[in-house]
Amino acid sequence: EVQLVESGGGLVQPGRSLRLSCVVSGFTLDDYAMHWVRQAPGKGLEWVSGISWNSGTLGYADFVKGRFTISRDNAKNSLYLQMNSLRPEDTALYYCGKDRGIGVAGNLDNWGQGTLVTVSS
Amino acid sequence: NFMLTQPHSVSGSPGKTVTISCTRSGGTIASHFVQWYQQRPGSAPTTVIYEDTQRPSGVPNRFSGSIDSSSNAASLTISGLKTEDEADYYCQSYDSGSVVFGGGTKLTVL
Repeated sequence: EVQLVESGGGLVQPGRSLRLSCVVSGFTLDDYAMHWVRQAPGKGLEWVSGISWNSGTLGYADFVKGRFTISRDNAKNSLYLQMNSLRPEDTALYYCGKDRGIGVAGNLDNWGQGTLVTVSS
Repeated sequence: NFMLTQPHSVSGSPGKTVTISCTRSGGTIASHFVQWYQQRPGSAPTTVIYEDTQRPSGVPNRFSGSIDSSSNAASLTISGLKTEDEADYYCQSYDSGSVVFGGGTKLTVL
């Protein structure tokens, strides 16, 4: 059974940093691209970032470029999102998602349950 | 970059058919695959259609997807509506390094 479990969310002050993790099981991580997608309270889905199977291609939404960094450690079955210079508008539930393929095309077939990030003073 | 526009809400009665549109602005709808996700309240999204028309195993054949190049739009059609279909539905596609979701459509089964 494919499982994705996010962690690392919490309450953080504006301007501070947070690192999200996603541990996967039930499939071989290095066969697939991975993504982070967020959902602000009461709002729609918003793609944040994606990473190809071998970390050769990284993609970011314009609103996080220069602030967030996606990475993966296939040996540890883990995906990460380093979030710096956090803003109140980054408050959201952050989902980890598995792509069907190796490239960053956004064809997600499995999702975690999300980890909540709240940015507030 | 491009945008995907969906109606804010649609509704239908049990047993009827509804169609949710997803119109692409900037680029052509056929240039990259479209996926559709269902999200029930309090739950993570799940895929109901991928690669324009493909249904994952476990998704009933009441769900179907299509694209129309003339209107530059994708559509999700749900036939034989059931109360359990009530959810938010999102289309999604890709272009030039960006993954984009539509704004979502709330389906109400009356």
